[in-house]
Amino acid sequence: DGGITQSPKYLFRKEGQNVTLSCEQNLNHDAMYWYRQDPGQGLRLIYYSQIVNDFQKGDIAEGYSVSREKKESFPLTVTSAQKNPTAFYLCASSIYEGGTDTQYFGPGTRLTVL
Amino acid sequence: AQSVTQPDIHITVSEGASLELRCNYSYGATPYLFWYVQSPGQGLQLLLKYFSGDTLVQGIKGFEAEFKRSQSSFNLRKPSVHWSDAAEYFCAVFSGGYNKLIFGAGTRLAVHP
Repeated sequence: DGGITQSPKYLFRKEGQNVTLSCEQNLNHDAMYWYRQDPGQGLRLIYYSQIVNDFQKGDIAEGYSVSREKKESFPLTVTSAQKNPTAFYLCASSIYEGGTDTQYFGPGTRLTVL
Repeated sequence: AQSVTQPDIHITVSEGASLELRCNYSYGATPYLFWYVQSPGQGLQLLLKYFSGDTLVQGIKGFEAEFKRSQSSFNLRKPSVHWSDAAEYFCAVFSGGYNKLIFGAGTRLAVHP
C-alpha cells in the first residue's frame, strides 16, 4: 500500500535535547512538507522540500532543521533552540493532479517536552 | 495577505441533520481550495478540492462544497450527517506564490445521536 508513514506516534523529550521525527513516503511524490499543529491554530508550515537536496523555510522554521537526502524521506529535527516544541507534527507530500498541487498527510507525531 | 477564515469554532448537529461548514478566503488570484478532515489524534484526510470549472465539487463520504467567487467562500455541505462524521474540518487555500497551503483554524463538529 502506498502512503506516508511517521514515526514514532508519540515522543517524549527532556528540555535541552534534540529529537528527530521520521517521515517516509512511497508515493513517488517530489515535494514534502512539515507542519506543526497547535489547538485552535490550524496548521503552520515549518519547512518544505520540492526536490531532493533542496528545502526552504516555512513560516515557523526557527528551532527546527530538516534534510532531504532521498526522495522518500524528509526527517525533521526539533532542536533545543525551539522554545515551545510540544505540539502535533504532521508530514505531507504532494503531487500535481487534477489541475493543482495536492497534499496528502501522514498520521502525525505528538511530541511532548517534559 | 492570503488567509482563510472558518467562522465557526464548534458546531453541533443531530445525526441525520444537514450540515454546512463555512469557509471564507482572501486570495488575489483564482484560488485552489481544499477541505480536509481530521479525526482525533490522526492525520488529515482530503475530502475534496476545487481548482476550476464546475463550482459545485463532490468529494468523498458524501460531502460537497460550493465555490462562490462573489462571496469569497467555499462552504462544505452534507445533506445527512452520520455519527462517524464527528471530527475537525479544515479549509485551505493553495498559495502558488509561496508554494504552500494556508489553513483555517478549523471547525470541530460534534454529532448528537
